[in-house]
Amino acid sequence: AQKVTQAQTEISVVEKEDVTLDCVYETRDTTYYLFWYKQPPSGELVFLIRRNSFDEQNEISGRYSWNFQKSTSSFNFTITASQVVDSAVYFCALSEASGGYQKVTFGTGTKLQVIP
Amino acid sequence: DAGITQSPRHKVTETGTPVTLRCHQTENHRYMYWYRQDPGHGLRLIHYSYGVKDTDKGEVSDGYSVSRSKTEDFLLTLESATSSQTSVYFCAIREDGYNTEAFFGQGTRLTVV
Repeated sequence: AQKVTQAQTEISVVEKEDVTLDCVYETRDTTYYLFWYKQPPSGELVFLIRRNSFDEQNEISGRYSWNFQKSTSSFNFTITASQVVDSAVYFCALSEASGGYQKVTFGTGTKLQVIP
Repeated sequence: DAGITQSPRHKVTETGTPVTLRCHQTENHRYMYWYRQDPGHGLRLIHYSYGVKDTDKGEVSDGYSVSRSKTEDFLLTLESATSSQTSVYFCAIREDGYNTEAFFGQGTRLTVV
């Protein structure tokens, strides 16, 4: 069974600090995808990034970067120079086949508070 | 924005009454999902659908049923609502394929009193 663990329940940082959100996953499949979503205080869920299981290159998008390591089954998310607008709950998710059909499993989320 | 709407957005109901939440999409995506969001539990999958009349259970399906008679609609029914089903419910849609991201509705806040 697939599982996603986000051990950090809540993190508080002061604006302009860097912060890393951890995500550890479990799967038996060799083909799978990992995702990060953001849920700001307004409540909607917004897609941030996807990564497939065969691509371990790190990705950077502005102040955001993602570090995927299959050896440790981790897909961590770093925000550089955090801003108040980054305050949100962040979810890591795993997509794999289950009997041939695609389930998406989410972690419990990490609530990030950026203090001005 | 992906065309996905949930109704109602808010509902208060009494214990023991049936409740149906609706998810409607205009994207013609194959996959539709119902999740519930609770503090400390994140998003938990209730049921999902991979086509018309094709559904399967998620990790917290007890007390819930679903139906998908048309591609665009995915209904979640609480046959006899309980206080433990007080939650925020999200519907999501995805195109077929491992690499496709999910698009979420705005959520339905359900309170069972």
